[in-house]
Amino acid sequence: KQEVTQIPAALSVPEGENLVLNCSFTDSAIYNLQWFRQDPGKGLTSLLLIQSSQREQTSGRLNASLDKSSGRSTLYIAASQPGDSATYLCAPESGGSYIPTFGRGTSLIVHP
Amino acid sequence: DAGVTQSPTHLIKTRGQQVTLRCSPKSGHDTVSWYQQALGQGPQFIFQYYEEEERQRGNFPDRFSGHQFPNYSSELNVNALLLGDSALYLCASSLMAGGETQYFGPGTRLLVL
Repeated sequence: KQEVTQIPAALSVPEGENLVLNCSFTDSAIYNLQWFRQDPGKGLTSLLLIQSSQREQTSGRLNASLDKSSGRSTLYIAASQPGDSATYLCAPESGGSYIPTFGRGTSLIVHP
Repeated sequence: DAGVTQSPTHLIKTRGQQVTLRCSPKSGHDTVSWYQQALGQGPQFIFQYYEEEERQRGNFPDRFSGHQFPNYSSELNVNALLLGDSALYLCASSLMAGGETQYFGPGTRLLVL
């Protein structure tokens, strides 16, 4: 059974800092790994999808890396802004139908 | 192009009642998955529907059941509601043959009193 751990559980930083959010998973036989953003009480917004053959993906100020062999992924957020405040969820996809398993997330607050 | 839509947005029920939640997938998608997200937790997979059949199921009791219609929309039914069923219920759609990511809807917030 896939288990996902995200560290830290919560983070509060001043605007402008570069951030590192960590995700580890127990079963390295994954297809893809996604990072999602979730605003309070809302649905999930996909930020980055890393396919199993890839090692990283970038979108704007976001960069995600994947090391399947060690069961780790990292999300880098450059020059953080107050609008980045949200919960960030990591979800490796495994099984025959690409079912993601979610961690509990990292709750991020970026204050002005 | 409409994304994944869910209804209702919020719902209040009492213990023992039954509830039905609805989901319309993103245009072109044929697979619908349902997730339960308790407060402070990550989403937990309930089940997935494809070709009007349940294809995979997570660790949820039989009180949770579903249906997929020929137009690919789906319903989640929960019988004999418990206080612990209070959660955000998320629907996600995807294309079975595509091996691509799932797209999530905004969710239905269920409160059981």
